[in-house]
Amino acid sequence: DAKTTQPTSMDCAEGRAANLPCNHSTISGNEYVYWYRQIHSQGPQYIIHGLKNNETNEMASLIITEDRKSSTLILPHATLRDTAVYYCIVRLPRNSYSGAGSYQLTFGKGTKLSVIP
Amino acid sequence: GAGVSQSPSNKVTEKGKDVELRCDPISGHTALYWYRQSLGQGLEFLIYFQGNSAPDKSGLPSDRFSAERTGGSVSTLTIQRTQQEDSAVYLCASSQGTSGHNEQFFGPGTRLTVL
Repeated sequence: DAKTTQPTSMDCAEGRAANLPCNHSTISGNEYVYWYRQIHSQGPQYIIHGLKNNETNEMASLIITEDRKSSTLILPHATLRDTAVYYCIVRLPRNSYSGAGSYQLTFGKGTKLSVIP
Repeated sequence: GAGVSQSPSNKVTEKGKDVELRCDPISGHTALYWYRQSLGQGLEFLIYFQGNSAPDKSGLPSDRFSAERTGGSVSTLTIQRTQQEDSAVYLCASSQGTSGHNEQFFGPGTRLTVL
């Protein structure tokens, strides 16, 4: 899996857009970008994923640069409940794994997002 | 159900006792994963079930740990003769089989404290 780099922490005012960057300069052509978050004392939560095109769902938008070396997760109207650690991971297509343990998710340090009232 | 559920939410036990942790995956999800997470640490993979295939137990830290999945749905993780280093949050996740390895849906976890 390609290595990702994220800022350690970020603050965002409640109601404003939260833009969380992720660098993945060694991403290969068929690797996807996935985002998860983990709210304190809860299990990780899948947010969104993409390959080349920008993606949007009910939770967030994902903007991937044309060279695919970086991406930004956008929470359009951050609420206090969005305070969490956000993880960016890069993975091969979902059915490309084989062998023991290759499907396990591995998170880096992530970005601790604090939404401020 | 709407999501992955786990029980109990909290378990405090004495060293040397056995514990059982339960996971109810999302209906229709054929893949089920157990992880554990120590305070401030990342996810540690424990075991993976896929349909009727033999489980991948490569992440189990010792033979005190075992898991089973009955009827392709509910799973139970058993820890025998618990030790203090077993204290952690035990997380269960499920996905839509091999097509969903990267989109795993997690339960709230069971916080295990071994005194």
